[in-house]
Amino acid sequence: DTEVTQTPKHLVMGMTNKKSLKCEQHMGHRAMYWYKQKAKKPPELMFVYSYEKLSINESVPSRFSPECPNSSLLNLHLHALQPEDSALYLCASSQDVANPSYEQYFGPGTRLTVT
Amino acid sequence: AQTVTQSQPEMSVQEAETVTLSCTYDTSESDYYLFWYKQPPSRQMILVIRQEAYKQQNATENRFSVNFQKAAKSFSLKISDSQLGDAAMYFCAYRSGNSGGSNYKLTFGKGTLLTVNP
Repeated sequence: DTEVTQTPKHLVMGMTNKKSLKCEQHMGHRAMYWYKQKAKKPPELMFVYSYEKLSINESVPSRFSPECPNSSLLNLHLHALQPEDSALYLCASSQDVANPSYEQYFGPGTRLTVT
Repeated sequence: AQTVTQSQPEMSVQEAETVTLSCTYDTSESDYYLFWYKQPPSRQMILVIRQEAYKQQNATENRFSVNFQKAAKSFSLKISDSQLGDAAMYFCAYRSGNSGGSNYKLTFGKGTLLTVNP
């Protein structure tokens, strides 16, 4: 099973709402990633978790709050977002963050619209 | 810092023909990995092929092959016998092989949108 799943597929939220994105993998991977992708642009790394601990935060605003409850699950909590945060949010996982030869497997993404 | 350049924002190819997508990169490192990812309109990013910098032999995966020119820092993707399902955005990506530092990070090019005409 080489699948990374993400829910929901689409999310529309107001600027005062609180919502969460969910990502799950059952490949036994110990590294998980959140990316933000604007239309017709490459993905931009947001966060990296290694062995359930946050190891990298790419200077992401605090209105985005990641959480890794266990080795298979990664959440991204959203609060007080701005319209410019509207994007495709991709989750990825890899066997280990330290070994660059390990492939990153991507999920299908959550299309977020902030109104 | 490493950079990845894809100079072709869009390309088109006739079904069953061959197309080559270009990618160049800039790095001072000797140990690194290069990847081509495909992102169809369904959005899921899929790894197409990868190349380890220490390997001289060009990687191949079925109809996909690369031309890796380390000295020229070039990493082009050739798609043979193009199929309608090959239509997608293709991203070239670089990852450092050095321990520590930013080797966790994939540096992507801006992408090439490939259209396959029937």
